[in-house]
Amino acid sequence: QLQLQASGPGLLKPSETLSLTCTVSGDSIGTNNHFWGWIRQPPGKGLEWIGSSYYTGNAFFNPSLKSRGTISIDSSKNQFSLNLTSLTAADTAVYYCVTQGTTFCGGDCHHPAETTIWGQGIVVTVS
Amino acid sequence: SYVLTQPPSVSVAPGQTATITCGGNSVERETVHWYQQRPGQAPLLVVYDDRDRPSGITERFSGSKSGNTATLTVSRAEAGDEADYYCQVWDSSSDHYAFGSGTKVSVL
Repeated sequence: QLQLQASGPGLLKPSETLSLTCTVSGDSIGTNNHFWGWIRQPPGKGLEWIGSSYYTGNAFFNPSLKSRGTISIDSSKNQFSLNLTSLTAADTAVYYCVTQGTTFCGGDCHHPAETTIWGQGIVVTVS
Repeated sequence: SYVLTQPPSVSVAPGQTATITCGGNSVERETVHWYQQRPGQAPLLVVYDDRDRPSGITERFSGSKSGNTATLTVSRAEAGDEADYYCQVWDSSSDHYAFGSGTKVSVL
């Protein structure tokens, strides 16, 4: 059974960079045509997609965050990571690492499908 | 950004049927997925590809779509169905993974 465990700092200051790591167990991050991504939820609000990376490293990002975020995959450690720069209070949220199915749209075209597995969530406060 | 509209709240009596809608300009051509989020928990996929259920999800949850509106139906509602429900699509025109605003279902 695939499981995801996020780790990282819980409290940061404005303008700092958030670095979160998600450790994958029960499956190999380098196989099985999954997307690996991050979704967040500000206190009392809805879900917001941050970005998703195919296991090859081809990534998609929320246009509203694209200039501040990167997702990297480390197959040797079976981990993937999120870096989010220039933090503000608006980045305060529960951050979920997730795995998503893949929709193939012809040729090299593919994009994330449904989110199948969610990590437990990690609370990040920017203050 | 892509907008998916959901009613903020839906109330249902135990044993009755709750209907949650999700509207958007391109819902008709995109595949819709639905998630349940109970208080204090991570979301859980309950319907994918408009109408399919993952293994282990009760048949009381069903999905459908007509035109630009997708619907999640919860039949024979139980107290354990009280949760927030989110629809989600991949907007192929903007490469955006969009969530609806969420619907709080109360079983009264």
